[in-house]
Amino acid sequence: GIQVEQSPPDLILQEGANSTLRCNFSDSVNNLQWFHQNPWGQLINLFYIPSGTKQNGRLSATTVATERYSLLYISSSQTTDSGVYFCAVGGNTGNQFYFGTGTSLTVIP
Amino acid sequence: DGGITQSPKYLFRKEGQNVTLSCEQNLNHDAMYWYRQDPGQGLRLIYYSQIVNDFQKGDIAEGYSVSREKKESFPLTVTSAQKNPTAFYLCASSIRGPPNTGELFFGEGSRLTVL
Repeated sequence: GIQVEQSPPDLILQEGANSTLRCNFSDSVNNLQWFHQNPWGQLINLFYIPSGTKQNGRLSATTVATERYSLLYISSSQTTDSGVYFCAVGGNTGNQFYFGTGTSLTVIP
Repeated sequence: DGGITQSPKYLFRKEGQNVTLSCEQNLNHDAMYWYRQDPGQGLRLIYYSQIVNDFQKGDIAEGYSVSREKKESFPLTVTSAQKNPTAFYLCASSIRGPPNTGELFFGEGSRLTVL
């Protein structure tokens, strides 16, 4: 299967700071999503971004498929941004999404 | 509202008992999935189904069984053969099956604890 590595594994920020989360993957993909897992465990869709750049409010994401990585930017972080951020990819011939082990973000007031 | 409903949210079971987790979707999606999450880990695929009456094993299918008799429903049974069943179980769906699934959507999860 496709190997997915996320960095950093843990991140602690002061409220208002900016951050960049990275997702590297080992093979070509035709699906890539970023999720936020809230404290209750639910996975919230942030971006469906197999290539290119998207923005949604304070969050934006960029995927460079040819170089096999994606970045999630969080600007002006808020305490509600705390949680675990997962990257998931799907390959051109595979039968599933592969998940990274996540970046655990804590935003302190 | 359209979405994926999982039940129960919390479940306790004794060793040796089977338990069934429910997953229902009203998104009219063809494909449905079951994932398992352990503390501090990513998600691992248990089973997926691309169409009614068809399903495929994922990476960790041993000790689990599924059925897909209706498009809307994809229940997961955790059998007594599953050696370490305590985990968080997540159901998901997508408009199409792999490899060109489109976006994946998740339910709220079911937390199973074996006593």
